[in-house]
Amino acid sequence: ETGVTQSPTHLIKTRGQQVTLRCSSQSGHNTVSWYQQALGQGPQFIFQYYREEENGRGNFPPRFSGLQFPNYSSELNVNALELDDSALYLCASSHSGRGKETQYFGPGTRLLVL
Amino acid sequence: AQSVTQLGSHVSVSEGALVLLRCNYSSSVPPYLFWYVQYPNQGLQLLLKYTSAATLVKGINGFEAEFKKSETSFHLTKPSAHMSDAAEYFCAVSPNQAGTALIFGKGTTLSVSS
Repeated sequence: ETGVTQSPTHLIKTRGQQVTLRCSSQSGHNTVSWYQQALGQGPQFIFQYYREEENGRGNFPPRFSGLQFPNYSSELNVNALELDDSALYLCASSHSGRGKETQYFGPGTRLLVL
Repeated sequence: AQSVTQLGSHVSVSEGALVLLRCNYSSSVPPYLFWYVQYPNQGLQLLLKYTSAATLVKGINGFEAEFKKSETSFHLTKPSAHMSDAAEYFCAVSPNQAGTALIFGKGTTLSVSS
């Protein structure tokens, strides 16, 4: 049982709008990563947060931003939405520092931009 | 830079037949390699991971994969397919053992017929 939850499950937005997606990490996890999975593609790494600081980023523009909170929940914010932002957004959490970390994925938020 | 290539976007097998899903990697450093499965409308579930401890890695649901450095491959196999194995399978590489900041392949859809 992963324990990673995401909200909302589905979302429809209009081009140019802003969206916030939320992730609740598994208990005890201090690292969260976000991925974008376009239809028919593999997930692409957006960024990672460790103890509330961004410590890794993929090839995504600055309009993709994030936050990690003291309780290790996380948000992904996307500004100025574009049609190509339509995708499944996945978050994954893990605990860095124990040596045998395993990352667990949430079920995702499906975003449709019209 | 690290990357993975999954050969064959769609593999079809009969129930009880051998499953072989192919993955080749490219990495300038010793890679950490992963196989994930994604069922329709769900997130990703870790099947197994290679972290240099052993070249033959056993995972969940009867799957296993063998790391072959000379062939830069990490193919996924299962001796006997079940109908429940029908899903999307992703090979991925990470710069760390925890499997964060994953770089995924494009995925292989496995169909199992009775």
